[in-house]
Amino acid sequence: QVQLQESGPGLVKPSQTLSLTCTVSGGSISSRGHYWSWIRQHPEKGLEWIAYTYYSGSTDYSPSLKSRVTISIDTSKNQFSLRLRSVTAADTAIYYCARNILTTIFVFDSWGQGIPVTVSS
Amino acid sequence: DIQMTQSPSTLSASVGDRVTITCRASESVSRWMAWYQQKPGKGPKLLIYDASNLENGVPSRFSGSGSGTEFTLTISSLQPDDFATYYCQQYDSYLTFGGGTKVEIK
Repeated sequence: QVQLQESGPGLVKPSQTLSLTCTVSGGSISSRGHYWSWIRQHPEKGLEWIAYTYYSGSTDYSPSLKSRVTISIDTSKNQFSLRLRSVTAADTAIYYCARNILTTIFVFDSWGQGIPVTVSS
Repeated sequence: DIQMTQSPSTLSASVGDRVTITCRASESVSRWMAWYQQKPGKGPKLLIYDASNLENGVPSRFSGSGSGTEFTLTISSLQPDDFATYYCQQYDSYLTFGGGTKVEIK
């Protein structure tokens, strides 16, 4: 059974770049049909999808975050990563990595446990 | 963006109760609706997709119905493990989540 684990700093200063990594175990990140997403959960605004990537390097982004986000994949390490630039307090959230079900990109059957990130000076 | 409105936001119920949670979309999402359960400190768990398809391993007391703009998640007989927060999610146009329904012990 595939497992996902987020890692990265829990505290980021305003205007800096948030960088997170998701390590996939129990399965290959190069598995055909599986897309790998980042999703965040704000205390007040709820769940928000950020971006996905595919083993081929294909990506897509939430229109509201596209200008500040980069997602990348490293198949040799079975990892994918998120970079969110110019962060503000509004980016404070729990960040999850997740994998889709095979029949659709945007339904998720495997999630990490989440990593809380606070943006503060 | 398609907005998802869940009701109620909180629900108090007892073990054995039949529980229904409603999700309304701001425009039609056909049958592209999923439901998740989330417990504190954990990522969401997929329960239902395509409005009514039960995810593998999910107990049959969970069921989903609806199409277009109105959807329901029903728990036929609430069990102690079911006290959690539930979210709907549309995936007709990108994806958006509902605000959540917390099912608490009455």
